[in-house]
Amino acid sequence: KAGVTQTPRYLIKTRGQQVTLSCSPISGHRSVSWYQQTPGQGLQFLFEYFSETQRNKGNFPGRFSGRQFSNSRSEMNVSTLELGDSALYLCASSRNPSTDTQYFGPGTRLTVL
Amino acid sequence: ELKVEQNPLFLSMQEGKNYTIYCNYSTTSDRLYWYRQDPGKSLESLFVLLSNGAVKQEGRLMASLDTKARLSTLHITAAVHDLSATYFCAVDRTTMGRRALTFGSGTRLQVQP
Repeated sequence: KAGVTQTPRYLIKTRGQQVTLSCSPISGHRSVSWYQQTPGQGLQFLFEYFSETQRNKGNFPGRFSGRQFSNSRSEMNVSTLELGDSALYLCASSRNPSTDTQYFGPGTRLTVL
Repeated sequence: ELKVEQNPLFLSMQEGKNYTIYCNYSTTSDRLYWYRQDPGKSLESLFVLLSNGAVKQEGRLMASLDTKARLSTLHITAAVHDLSATYFCAVDRTTMGRRALTFGSGTRLQVQP
């Protein structure tokens, strides 16, 4: 059974640009969550989607947004990139929100220059 | 605000020794997870603990949960080099069906041969 896949794996952008990251959950999983991992702040929750609806959002500015498609695939977008947005962005999927263990993808390493 | 504290943050131990990683959290939670992360890799789910007194074991790792003390432990028995990784605990506090994991800072475990 294929795991969570994320594309691209590595990305270099410059300040002010925008970026879109993609996540394909495990087959049959309908809940997708996004996390940001940095050396300074650790792992922080960004948002969770289920059935194309955002169910919860972490404490991040409005520059961070996301969406989920009918096939459960999800994208997150960061606009007007800042240096501090450099991080590993992890996507996690589970069958249902709230109750099931989340399985994490390999992540997208974003570097903002 | 939910706070999750892990200690120690760094642990260097010799093969064959035993040690415990502690995870304290500040408010009641629905479940607690332990994850492993190898350098440059994603998070691998180890255990999910659902109720007070829960104990789970897999190989040389054993996790337990005391909800009254708001404390979880990850005990390593007779460590081997392959256990070298960073271990995270994560507390799930689902509110009105909206889940958001709060992670500890992680414990970097280095097992010396």
